[in-house]
Parts: sequence; structure tokens; C-alpha cells
Amino acid sequence: DAGVTQSPTHLIKTRGQQVTLRCSPKSGHDTVSWYQQALGQGPQFIFQYYEEEERQRGNFPDRFSGHQFPNYSSELNVNALLLGDSALYLCASSPRTGNYGYTFGSGTRLTVV
Amino acid sequence: QKEVEQNSGPLSVPEGAIASLNCTYSDRGSQSFFWYRQYSGKSPELIMFIYSNGDKEDGRFTAQLNKASQYVSLLIRDSQPSDSATYLCAVWVGALTFGSGTRLQVQP
Repeated sequence: DAGVTQSPTHLIKTRGQQVTLRCSPKSGHDTVSWYQQALGQGPQFIFQYYEEEERQRGNFPDRFSGHQFPNYSSELNVNALLLGDSALYLCASSPRTGNYGYTFGSGTRLTVV
Repeated sequence: QKEVEQNSGPLSVPEGAIASLNCTYSDRGSQSFFWYRQYSGKSPELIMFIYSNGDKEDGRFTAQLNKASQYVSLLIRDSQPSDSATYLCAVWVGALTFGSGTRLQVQP
């Protein structure tokens, strides 16, 4: 049973560039949430997708956008990268209600230079 | 006020002791509470979840919930060096909201 898969594992981008991160949810899960985790901090909620629509959003600027595809996979896009966007980006999947917790992927380490 | 608060630690306990990790939350409407473990450089993994007031036990782990006090705790019995990690408390209100985590160090 495949868990949550994320790609790429590591990425280095230059300030001002754009980046796309990808996530495939665990089999049987239809909801995908994205988190940003800075060093030494807990994961911060970016947004959540199900039925191909953004359903909830955390306190992140519009530079952060996403998409969910019919097969439930998802992308996170970040435009006009800032040095402060350097972090571990985590994708988590769950069944619709999320009451049983989320399953996390191994993350994408983004470094902005 | 942060929605989920944890002491950052580190909490240091000797091998074989009980480690007690604590968490408070601000939203009285919260219904579901989770503990995740995160090893350095890895992603969070779910240890336990609890919905009802009282205790829930799973092996060496016990989660405790007190909704009136808006307080959640995790007890780890017979702590092992392999338990050394950051423990994240999370509360579900439509989406999971995490605390900043408590770093646990189990000394051999």
C-alpha cells in the first residue's frame, strides 16, 4: 500500500523564481493538505484540497497556490520566491473528514538562494 | 495567543523513565487531538489520537485529554533512546493545526 509520495525531495531555487512541488496521496485518501515547516518550528498549514477545489487556507499570501487533479494528486506552486520560503514542504493526505489524522509524505526541502 | 502551545524543551529523561509531554489549545470547539513524532530530517508520523476526555493507552504511550482545561498530554513509559525525537501536538478544527513541538532526549 503506497503511502504519500512527494517530488522532488530537494530543490534549490533563486530568489524571484517560481517552483512547483508534487504530491500523490495515500491510496483511499481524497483530501490533500500542504504544510510549510521552517527549521525548529511545527508545520504551518498552507491549504487543503478536495474535489479539486481549495477548501481551506492558512495565513499564506497569494504567491502560494495549488491544484488538485481528478486522481487526487496535488501540486503546490510558489511564485516570486523569497529567501524566507526556504523550508520543508510537507504534503499530507486523509479521508474527507480528517478526524483520524493525516498521513504525511517525506517532504520536499526547498532552499531559496 | 497561539492556537496550540507546547514547551519547546528539550525534555531530558533517563532511559526507562516516564516522559510527560504537554500541550494546550485555544479553540474550545476542537474535537480531535493528535500526537505526532518527528525524527530529525524526517516527516511527522502519527502516534496516537484521542477524542474523548480521559486516557487512551496504546502500548507504552498514553494520551490524556481534559477539554475543560483545554489540555492534552502524552506519557511515554519505559522511555528508550529511540524515543528521542520532537513530539508534535495537533488539534483538528477543519484542518490539523500543530504546535511547535517538544524535543525529547532519552539519555542511555
